[in-house]
Amino acid sequence: DTGVSQDPRHKITKRGQNVTFRCDPISEHNRLYWYRQTLGQGPEFLTYFQNEAQLEKSRLLSDRFSAERPKGSFSTLEIQRTEQGDSAMYLCASSLPGTGPLANEQFFGPGTRLTVL
Amino acid sequence: AQSVAQPEDQVNVAEGNPLTVKCTYSVSGNPYLFWYVQYPNRGLQFLLKYITGDNLVKGSYGFEAEFNKSQTSFHLKKPSALVSDSALYFCAVWRGSTLGRLYFGRGTQLTVWP
Repeated sequence: DTGVSQDPRHKITKRGQNVTFRCDPISEHNRLYWYRQTLGQGPEFLTYFQNEAQLEKSRLLSDRFSAERPKGSFSTLEIQRTEQGDSAMYLCASSLPGTGPLANEQFFGPGTRLTVL
Repeated sequence: AQSVAQPEDQVNVAEGNPLTVKCTYSVSGNPYLFWYVQYPNRGLQFLLKYITGDNLVKGSYGFEAEFNKSQTSFHLKKPSALVSDSALYFCAVWRGSTLGRLYFGRGTQLTVWP
């Protein structure tokens, strides 16, 4: 399967613990996005990478959240000192480089469901 | 500011009947509009998009959508619904910046009953 993969698929943690999620984009895609989806809502943008550069961060991304894409391939999203409000599905997406129409079509992974107890 | 609105939380339709899932947008300039579908415990799957050109866009699984600039709408349609179309549908808009974030609606749960 050459789609976007995310690991783990599910994570249960206790409040105050740190968690880290991984996303592997489609290999030829240089753009990578993180979104958060809570129950009854559409995905909300968190951050965006082009290659290894983090070009945009949402105000939703508090200082407890950090994302990296060190080699321009896979990305990690870390949440420090988790809170119950962090419980959500974390989605990763990737897209092609460039500015044409195909560059705006984002391919999503299956998501990581986080439950903070 | 709300960029995308999906006015219906749920749409119920009988198998074989036509279906419409509504979406309106509020962005300046020329928007890029998308429809995604989400099945339980799965990521979002791309259905179709409007960039420019013909207002009627055809996508995957027999779905199509009509872009209406005067009504700022991008409704998803299918002439004959299938039970397997039951899923959560999201409309999204790209505002035209170079950074590419999508703004999603809240989603519409489509249920097709046999």
